[in-house]
Amino acid sequence: GAVVSQHPSWVICKSGTSVKIECRSLDFQATTMFWYRQFPKQSLMLMATSNEGSKATYEQGVEKDKFLINHASLTLSTLTVTSAHPEDSSFYICSSSSAGDTEAFFGQGTRLTVV
Amino acid sequence: AQSVSQHNHHVILSEAASLELGCNYSYGGTVNLFWYVQYPGQHLQLLLKYFSGDPLVKGIKGFEAEFIKSKFSFNLRKPSVQWSDTAEYFCAVNAWDNDMRFGAGTRLTVKP
Repeated sequence: GAVVSQHPSWVICKSGTSVKIECRSLDFQATTMFWYRQFPKQSLMLMATSNEGSKATYEQGVEKDKFLINHASLTLSTLTVTSAHPEDSSFYICSSSSAGDTEAFFGQGTRLTVV
Repeated sequence: AQSVSQHNHHVILSEAASLELGCNYSYGGTVNLFWYVQYPGQHLQLLLKYFSGDPLVKGIKGFEAEFIKSKFSFNLRKPSVQWSDTAEYFCAVNAWDNDMRFGAGTRLTVKP
């Protein structure tokens, strides 16, 4: 089946630095990518939706200048957490699907810890 | 290996049929359990969740799920499906490490 590879699976960074998370679709064209964040003991929260070649659509309350999303190709989408703070520590996960397909595929998730 | 298993890849039902989607997990200890739905072209939506208390959980759109600890299961049910329930359904488990782990998903097709 289709695979979405997300990395890194975990990262520890210092406050003020930036971290890039990548999601690659390995054997299909990911026209749409969803980025989610999970707070401890809560369900996923949608951060943004990105379509290949266009700007991401951010959910209300998500800072677009802090969480930079790039979806420049049909196989790669990236989420960059800029000027990270400890409150950005969380579990981030991507999900992608291709045009006209109802199936969605998840990355493995990234555990970000900002110290 | 710790995992979340959804038994059916694709389920096809007629309208008004009853639905049960299986979900089993292999994590020990305390877990939080979720069912999400993803309609075509849309993002995930939370159907229901179990953290503690009554193991029979009622969610939105007439869905419910039962947590059976002894079976490590959290099956999703709906007494009578509608065409609009056509979507992909994901079971997810939030275990000791707080990371969310998903099943592979079950595609539900409801024929009108």
